[in-house]
Amino acid sequence: AQRVTQPEKLLSVFKGAPVELKCNYSYSGSPELFWYVQYSRQRLQLLLRHISRESIKGFTADLNKGETSFHLKKPFAQEEDSAMYYCALKGYGNKLVFGAGTILRVKS
Amino acid sequence: ETGVTQSPTHLIKTRGQQVTLRCSSQSGHNTVSWYQQALGQGPQFIFQYYREEENGRGNFPPRFSGLQFPNYSSELNVNALELDDSALYLCASSQGTYVNEQFFGPGTRLTVL
Repeated sequence: AQRVTQPEKLLSVFKGAPVELKCNYSYSGSPELFWYVQYSRQRLQLLLRHISRESIKGFTADLNKGETSFHLKKPFAQEEDSAMYYCALKGYGNKLVFGAGTILRVKS
Repeated sequence: ETGVTQSPTHLIKTRGQQVTLRCSSQSGHNTVSWYQQALGQGPQFIFQYYREEENGRGNFPPRFSGLQFPNYSSELNVNALELDDSALYLCASSQGTYVNEQFFGPGTRLTVL
């Protein structure tokens, strides 16, 4: 089975506080994981992918195969980070399996 | 370079009707994937088209079908509409079938009454 779980529907933090958006996956193969973001009134777009080990807009995510997690982190939240965040897994048949998403709300 | 476009933006149909949604891929992209996003859920993969052939399908019944044209634009057809088909339908294009980086369109909001 291939599944992505994002346990929080909403995460509310103050500006400047650390952020961690949780993502857990279930997949029997070697996983490839992604974070997508959707800002208000904009289309869904790729934020980062684990194979690139990159930092985008201050966000990082580390794949933890032991805990089957791919949490998204940022040390200091900014108001412009407020958006919907989706974790996704490249599953069988080269398709993307998305989690239900987490709304991040950064308060001033 | 133009991005992914979808038409129409919104659509209202009644149960049992048929609907066709359209997607124009980003310039230079030859692969289109379709997703259904129900309210409060993440996108769910319907199928992918590569060079005019279906190249992978999610857990959707045969009444969901598609086409891809020589210019790589694509259509999603849904027959015998059901209330549960009400959702946002997204298409995404990429260069090649690898989903490493897909570019999404704005979506078509379908309401079935």
